[in-house]
Amino acid sequence: GQQLNQSPQSMFIQEGEDVSMNCTSSSIFNTWLWYKQDPGEGPVLLIALYKAGELTSNGRLTAQFGITRKDSFLNISASIPSDVGIYFCAGRSSGTYKYIFGTGTRLKVLA
Amino acid sequence: GAVVSQHPSWVICKSGTSVKIECRSLDFQATTMFWYRQFPKQSLMLMATSNEGSKATYEQGVEKDKFLINHASLTLSTLTVTSAHPEDSSFYICSARAGGLAGRETQYFGPGTRLLVL
Repeated sequence: GQQLNQSPQSMFIQEGEDVSMNCTSSSIFNTWLWYKQDPGEGPVLLIALYKAGELTSNGRLTAQFGITRKDSFLNISASIPSDVGIYFCAGRSSGTYKYIFGTGTRLKVLA
Repeated sequence: GAVVSQHPSWVICKSGTSVKIECRSLDFQATTMFWYRQFPKQSLMLMATSNEGSKATYEQGVEKDKFLINHASLTLSTLTVTSAHPEDSSFYICSARAGGLAGRETQYFGPGTRLLVL
């Protein structure tokens, strides 16, 4: 099935550092969602974006809906060990309830 | 709010048997639920869209007779893996669509069900 390009694929960072990841699509989306998945668990919704240019925060997490509507960004500030996991973006076009998921960014935090 | 449960959380079965997985939205009604399959270190792959009161819509390449979906109520969808074989072993995750204001809907996931077919 179709997947969105998400980068980086994985990253190792030091505790306290900021993290940035992005997701790009060849299609225009009306909604972008960002999820975090821990091993053996289902994805947990972090942030939902509904409008081009929208910037939304959830604690240390900030996500933006790209102006072109074909990309989205997630930033994590001052990372902590519990930020470890896989982050997925998901986008939805108009006229459908289905989301297309990104390939995931695997984050590892070194204490 | 917006809690989705799945049962069982893990199941081991013999090849040839059928396995049923339940997905429930606990504190909201979901006219639409989704079933995903996830292989190790890979992203989620949509298998089918489950619509309350109507037939499920399957993604290309997913056998509808193999993966039976029933969405009998606004809070429950079930996935039955029929005549399971070892290649059906995987992590199955459901999600429920939660509608908000017009155009502001989202999707909440269950905790997943790990299936191992021997």
